[in-house]
Amino acid sequence: GAVVSQHPSWVICKSGTSVKIECRSLDFQATTMFWYRQFPKQSLMLMATSNEGSKATYEQGVEKDKFLINHASLTLSTLTVTSAHPEDSSFYICSARVDREVGNQPQHFGDGTRLSIL
Amino acid sequence: GQNIDQPTEMTATEGAIVQINCTYQTSGFNGLFWYQQHAGEAPTFLSYNVLDGLEEKGRFSSFLSRSKGYSYLLLKELQMKDSASYLCAVKDSNYQLIWGAGTKLIIKP
Repeated sequence: GAVVSQHPSWVICKSGTSVKIECRSLDFQATTMFWYRQFPKQSLMLMATSNEGSKATYEQGVEKDKFLINHASLTLSTLTVTSAHPEDSSFYICSARVDREVGNQPQHFGDGTRLSIL
Repeated sequence: GQNIDQPTEMTATEGAIVQINCTYQTSGFNGLFWYQQHAGEAPTFLSYNVLDGLEEKGRFSSFLSRSKGYSYLLLKELQMKDSASYLCAVKDSNYQLIWGAGTKLIIKP
């Protein structure tokens, strides 16, 4: 089955640091990747949708200058949390899909990155 | 607006059957997904419904009624490892997934 690899799985760093999270589709080409954030005991919140070779589309309330997304190839998207602060501490999850999901193709999720800002 | 409703929490006994309901109001419909998410982990795909009726997959079944905007996930022969959150998600007219808040299922011995 389709595999999405997300790295790193856990990050602890000081306030003001920038953190980069990578999301790779290992055995398929992902034209679209999604970045989600999930706070404890809450549901997934879509942050942005990125399409290969174009600018990401951010959801309302998500600062595009703080959460930089790059989708440079069909197998790699990165999320950079710039100048992270404690309130950015959360579980970040990426997912990928091949195309507009004609049929029953689900989104394939990475294992998530737990970000803790001290 | 778009809205997906599912109960916040449910409790069931090991070996029993539980039904988790999901109702939705979305702009268009291109399928409904159920995902399982264990605490601290990413969601994993369970089932997909796009036509009315029941889809069975082992101990798990999912039902859809498009006219009622309603789905349920049925879990049989519950095991302790089924303790998790179950997320209902609907693909809208733009093929975007709209997520429910999830139902936390607690299994007791």
